Amino acid sequence: EIVLTQSPGTLSLSPGERATLSCRASQSVSSSYLAWYQQKPGQAPRLLIYGASSRATGIPDRFSGSGSGTDFTLTISRLEPEDFAVYYCQQYGSSPLAFGQGTKVEIK
Amino acid sequence: QVQLVESGGGVVQPGGSLRLSCAASGFTFSSYGMHWVRQAPGKGLEWVAFIRYDGSNKYYADSVKGRFTISRDNSKNTLYLQMNSLRAEDTAVYYCAKDLGLYDAKYYFDYWGQGTLVTVSS
Repeated sequence: EIVLTQSPGTLSLSPGERATLSCRASQSVSSSYLAWYQQKPGQAPRLLIYGASSRATGIPDRFSGSGSGTDFTLTISRLEPEDFAVYYCQQYGSSPLAFGQGTKVEIK
Repeated sequence: QVQLVESGGGVVQPGGSLRLSCAASGFTFSSYGMHWVRQAPGKGLEWVAFIRYDGSNKYYADSVKGRFTISRDNSKNTLYLQMNSLRAEDTAVYYCAKDLGLYDAKYYFDYWGQGTLVTVSS
């Protein structure tokens, strides 16, 4: 069973700054089967990235994903006010499917 | 547009049962695998169960195996989750989520419902 650990737990940044979120897996994630989701309070999660680096439909290009093996990164190049939220990584390369515990990006 | 609407949540006593439904529209429901994902209050996301587009394969998280049953009725465009022997730790918002893969499941989620809250308490 793969365990995903996200860091930091909370990221305090200002609009316009760059955000770098980390997701580390306890074992290699096969074929970079890793996704990222954004969740705002009271809302369902929204798919941002799949396959470690492919943006989902309609996702702005300020969101980018990278990484392979056990280390993955979500980067938001310039934070917009609507980007302050909680972000989760999810691996789908092996059973059971697993999520990280989340990183909260809050306004500094 | 794709819509997923969950229903059936509520308050139930420990050991009790509940059946959740998810009504789907805006896509060919019978061509896609579907999942249930839950989120305990103030906590992260936990995958619960998956069913193949035709219902022929089902997978469960260890935490619910033997207690929960996922099913679907493609003639009604509806997904179900039968939850038995409920425990306090099953308290969560339950989301249904569409798998991105057409027939061939990808095991990640491109659309989610708004969720239904299940509270297990005496």
